[in-house]
Amino acid sequence: SQQGEEDPQALSIQEGENATMNCSYKTSINNLQWYRQNSGRGLVHLILIRSNEREKHSGRLRVTLDTSKKSSSLLITASRAADTASYFCATAGGYQKVTFGTGTKLQVIP
Amino acid sequence: EAQVTQNPRYLITVTGKKLTVTCSQNMNHEYMSWYRQDPGLGLRQIYYSMNVEVTDKGDVPEGYKVSRKEKRNFPLILESPSPNQTSLYFCASSLYGRAAEQYFGPGTRLTVT
Repeated sequence: SQQGEEDPQALSIQEGENATMNCSYKTSINNLQWYRQNSGRGLVHLILIRSNEREKHSGRLRVTLDTSKKSSSLLITASRAADTASYFCATAGGYQKVTFGTGTKLQVIP
Repeated sequence: EAQVTQNPRYLITVTGKKLTVTCSQNMNHEYMSWYRQDPGLGLRQIYYSMNVEVTDKGDVPEGYKVSRKEKRNFPLILESPSPNQTSLYFCASSLYGRAAEQYFGPGTRLTVT
């Protein structure tokens, strides 16, 4: 079963606006990662946040993690057309399994 | 250049004809993994390997086999492919397991008729 569920499934914004997408998961985790995928291509790692961290920044990306609510959010500030892609959260929990969510499809309109 | 390579990139085959999708990484990574991606289902882990000769099942291992005889290679074997294995497959590797970022290959689009 899918551990992570992203919300919304699709998001369309104007260039320059902020984009926020959320991820919920079901069991305890070691860390949570966000990946980006351009149409049909391999995923690219964006950011990793450990279970004992609450917030992390990388450039225009800000990730938060709330382990009590089993949720994370990814904020992309000042979005650009080049940010158009699908975004996935991935959780690492028991054993060495990694579970991906179903993704949020982001469209940034120039 | 550090990378994960997969071959073939595209494959159309018929039900029951054994096939192998190769995966190779040049980063000396310990952990390698196979995923399949289907519309609306995201990526699902098929098998993973912590090191040479150490493999384990992911969430959807049925119908697949893997082997890890060398650190750099992690082939995915479909002994008797069926149409429900039509999918986009990704190989990935990471330095030390699930806690590290994964590097993904370009994907293999498989169609089984």
